[in-house]
Amino acid sequence: DVKVTQSSRYLVKRTGEKVFLECVQDMDHENMFWYRQDPGLGLRLIYFSYDVKMKEKGDIPEGYSVSREKKERFSLILESASTNQTSMYLCASIEGGGAYEQYFGPGTRLTVT
Amino acid sequence: DQQVKQNSPSLSVQEGRISILNCDYTNSMFDYFLWYKKYPAEGPTFLISISSIKDKNEDGRFTVFLNKSAKHLSLHIVPSQPGDSAVYFCAASVTVSGSARQLTFGSGTQLTVLP
Repeated sequence: DVKVTQSSRYLVKRTGEKVFLECVQDMDHENMFWYRQDPGLGLRLIYFSYDVKMKEKGDIPEGYSVSREKKERFSLILESASTNQTSMYLCASIEGGGAYEQYFGPGTRLTVT
Repeated sequence: DQQVKQNSPSLSVQEGRISILNCDYTNSMFDYFLWYKKYPAEGPTFLISISSIKDKNEDGRFTVFLNKSAKHLSLHIVPSQPGDSAVYFCAASVTVSGSARQLTFGSGTQLTVLP
């Protein structure tokens, strides 16, 4: 079974702090994604990566950056956390070669106070 | 501008009856559609999918129907069970770079199955 893990299930940070969310997948998937889930808005894509050291902006990249130094690890960085970044953050991975199904981690519930 | 829409935020059905969840899309480039199920405090899990060249796909109690001309798909659950209570997300897939694909999600429908 594919396993996608995220470093924290719950996180509380203060406004202005730098926040790192880590995601690791164990299936040698090429592509990795970061989403945020908010009530009534579904899952919105923040950033994605098709290969090591590559990154592409999604629909809502403002206030976020990412890092992918190793194939299995994809990090989401909030440079200066704000209260409107309080959300559920979900990481996903998918094989390359035109595969369709993304596999999700359990999510990180981030609260910025 | 939402390219994938789930217009019903919630749905309640009695146990044993049929649940029908609907999804509409606007982008003609979408060529594959998926349904995900999400329990609270867990990540979404894949449920069922359908290619744009088909109009129906069935897997046990779950059937997805695609009406390409109407840009509409639906998920039918028969019979519904209390354990089916979850948020259901519709997602549409498109190729964005080479063979890499990207999903666009709807806003989700909270299904509650009443015992």
